[in-house]
Amino acid sequence: KQEVTQIPAALSVPEGENLVLNCSFTDSAIYNLQWFRQDPGKGLTSLLLIQSSQREQTSGRLNASLDKSSGRSTLYIAASQPGDSATYLCAVNQGAQKLVFGQGTRLTINP
Amino acid sequence: GAVVSQHPSRVICKSGTSVKIECRSLDFQATTMFWYRQFPKQSLMLMATSNEGSKATYEQGVEKDKFLINHASLTLSTLTVTSAHPEDSSFYICSAPPGGYDTQYFGPGTRLTVL
Repeated sequence: KQEVTQIPAALSVPEGENLVLNCSFTDSAIYNLQWFRQDPGKGLTSLLLIQSSQREQTSGRLNASLDKSSGRSTLYIAASQPGDSATYLCAVNQGAQKLVFGQGTRLTINP
Repeated sequence: GAVVSQHPSRVICKSGTSVKIECRSLDFQATTMFWYRQFPKQSLMLMATSNEGSKATYEQGVEKDKFLINHASLTLSTLTVTSAHPEDSSFYICSAPPGGYDTQYFGPGTRLTVL
């Protein structure tokens, strides 16, 4: 059974810092991996999707990497801003679009 | 980008009643939609896959007679929580993948509170 773990569970940093969120998964047989953002009491917004054949994806200040063989992904956020405060979830797609989510990292950017 | 809506956004009901939650894809057709449940400070857990024109498929441990799913059209799936109990209180979120794309679009969620 696939298990997805995110570390740390919570992170608080001052504005302007670069930071890395970690995601690990136990079964490397995945189709893709996605990073989502969830604001309190809201749905999910897709940030980046990495196919299993890809190593990384970039969108603006966000960069996500994937090492499928070791079961790891990282989300790098550059020059963090207070508006980046949210919970970040990673999810792996094992087929048929079924996503297995990690517990999330609750990020707080302090002005 | 693609939009998925859910209705209602919040619902409070008495124990024993049934509650229907709607999930709509507003600008694309979705033959498949997914229903997730999220308990406080926990992650999303897939409950079931809703298939247009056929029966839903449920994940292990999810009672199909309690969580009725109907995918009546290519833009609408409904989740009915039957005989709701306080332990069913949760945040229910649906998602839909536009055909041919890997990305899923998530609804804003429905907060269910059962008294």
